[in-house]
Order: sequence, then structure tokens, then C-alpha cells
Amino acid sequence: NAGVTQTPKFQVLKTGQSMTLQCAQDMNHEYMSWYRQDPGMGLRLIHYSVGAGITDQGEVPNGYNVSRSTTEDFPLRLLSAAPSQTSVYFCASSRDRSYEQYFGPGTRLTVT
Amino acid sequence: AQSVTQLDSHVSVSEGTPVLLRCNYSSSYSPSLFWYVQHPNKGLQLLLKYTSAATLVKGINGFEAEFKKSETSFHLTKPSAHMSDAAEYFCVSSGSARQLTFGSGTQLTVLP
Repeated sequence: NAGVTQTPKFQVLKTGQSMTLQCAQDMNHEYMSWYRQDPGMGLRLIHYSVGAGITDQGEVPNGYNVSRSTTEDFPLRLLSAAPSQTSVYFCASSRDRSYEQYFGPGTRLTVT
Repeated sequence: AQSVTQLDSHVSVSEGTPVLLRCNYSSSYSPSLFWYVQHPNKGLQLLLKYTSAATLVKGINGFEAEFKKSETSFHLTKPSAHMSDAAEYFCVSSGSARQLTFGSGTQLTVLP
């Protein structure tokens, strides 16, 4: 099993550009989520999904969109990048919220 | 609403001495609690989890944590630190909203 994979590992964007961060898991997990990690703030939930076709907002959803067309994939879209979105982004999956979350290796995004 | 407070942002110990990383949680009911570890430039890995079974939870790499409801604490301990334990540690709570709440993290330094 590859577990949770994320692409790209690094990305530099200019303000106003859009892009999609990819996330895939091969463990047949229903629950997937996106977090951003900023120094001294732990991880904050952006969006999550409890199954294909079902998504919901987390703590910091503004400026991001998600969709879940398959169990395996959960892409995160930045609509119009801003310097405040410079961060490390982690995707995670699990059987359910109370089970172990499996994290991807992260995407380091810089917006200039 | 639930919250997680990690009482120390940085902890330094000498190799071979005990480790104590402190975590307090706030929740209207008993949540599921986790400790995750993040090594530099890596994703998060589960160390251990508490889900209302035994209050003393043993995890990987010699770590353990004790759930104390009266003190709303879930401190992480290890009897003898190893150089490879140097990393950032996150205390995490899972509540009713299918969301995880992360503490702000504790950076553990192990001195030779």
C-alpha cells in the first residue's frame, strides 16, 4: 500500500494564480481531510469529507475548494492564491474520526 | 467546543533522561485523544491513542500517556530519551463533530 500520497511536494505561486493540490489514498478510507500547518499554530482543518460526494468546511475554509468524486481522491483547490496561504498542507485519511489518521508527506506552498 | 493546550512549546532533555510533554484538553465530554509525532520535513505519525478503555496507554517507541479526567490531562512520557526522539509532538482531541483539534505542538530537543 502506498498509503496517502500528495503531489506536488513543493510549489511556488504568484498572487492570484490558482492551482490544485492532489491527494490520494489506497486504504479505502471514507474520511479524508486537508490541514494547513503554520508555525506555532499546530494543524488547522481546512475541509473534510466523510465519503464520496460529501464534503464540509473545517476551521479555515476561505479561499479553498474541495470535491470528492471517488473514495480515493480528495483534491484541494486554491482559487486565487494569496501570500497568507503560504503554508505546509497535509492530507489525511482514516476509517472514521476516532480512528488513527494517516497523513501524507505534505506539500510546501509559497505564494509570492 | 473543544480545545487542546500543550503547556510547553519547547522541551530539552539529555539523552537517557525522562521525557514529559504536557497536554490539557477541554471538552464537554470524554473525547478520543491522540499523540502524534512529526520528524523534520515529514508527515505526522501516530504515537498512541486513548479511546475510553484503559487510562494508561502505551504507544510506539517506549512512549506512554495517562488519561486523567479529573485533571483533564493527557501527558506524554518516556522513561529514557533517545536522540531519535527529537521531533515535534502534537496532542490531538477528537470530538463529536468528526473533526480533530490539534494542540500547537511541543518541540523536543534531545541533548547528547
